[in-house]
Amino acid sequence: GAGVSQSPSNKVTEKGKDVELRCDPISGHTALYWYRQSLGQGLEFLIYFQGNSAPDKSGLPSDRFSAERTGGSVSTLTIQRTQQEDSAVYLCASSVGTGNGAEAFFGQGTRLTVV
Amino acid sequence: QKEVEQDPGPLSVPEGAIVSLNCTYSNSAFQYFMWYRQYSRKGPELLMYTYSSGNKEDGRFTAQVDKSSKYISLFIRDSQPSDSATYLCASYTGRRALTFGSGTRLQVQP
Repeated sequence: GAGVSQSPSNKVTEKGKDVELRCDPISGHTALYWYRQSLGQGLEFLIYFQGNSAPDKSGLPSDRFSAERTGGSVSTLTIQRTQQEDSAVYLCASSVGTGNGAEAFFGQGTRLTVV
Repeated sequence: QKEVEQDPGPLSVPEGAIVSLNCTYSNSAFQYFMWYRQYSRKGPELLMYTYSSGNKEDGRFTAQVDKSSKYISLFIRDSQPSDSATYLCASYTGRRALTFGSGTRLQVQP
């Protein structure tokens, strides 16, 4: 596709359940970022992948959060044992490479609601 | 202290006004400065980015960076109701990830 694709668009889950959020970056983009946006807030960095390098996980808020990127393309963000404070919009972005991170393009996000 | 600070607004202006949106940052390693526009329930859309200090113009939008004062600005000329959105500034060292401000909500009144 032409842009970054995220699925699902919306997810409602019960507290304590695990969820998986998917991101399909722009073809050819080697850098991929996950951010979280709480209501009315800015974007909080979670994790970033660059090519085959080890991911930068410094933004993950707890060990319940993990992410992987398979084949340098699609990425999955997993949240285990979800809590109500995990409710937010999870945004994925991609860019051509680290040095081109200034031109990062975002998907529409996954709106996660934990009830 | 956040690395990128932005007044959350909201900012309300009449149609046709010149809008000035501003951010400050604290990390001297930032080299790239971006502005994103985000409509309600949508992902952020890159408007423009600037490398180092200086101005960059794109249509009705002008981005300005003053690295000596660590100040980032976005000016919107002849503002339109369709410009009503949240504007996010972001900064980037050239490595790792972008650091965002909290966003300024803009409302342009017809």
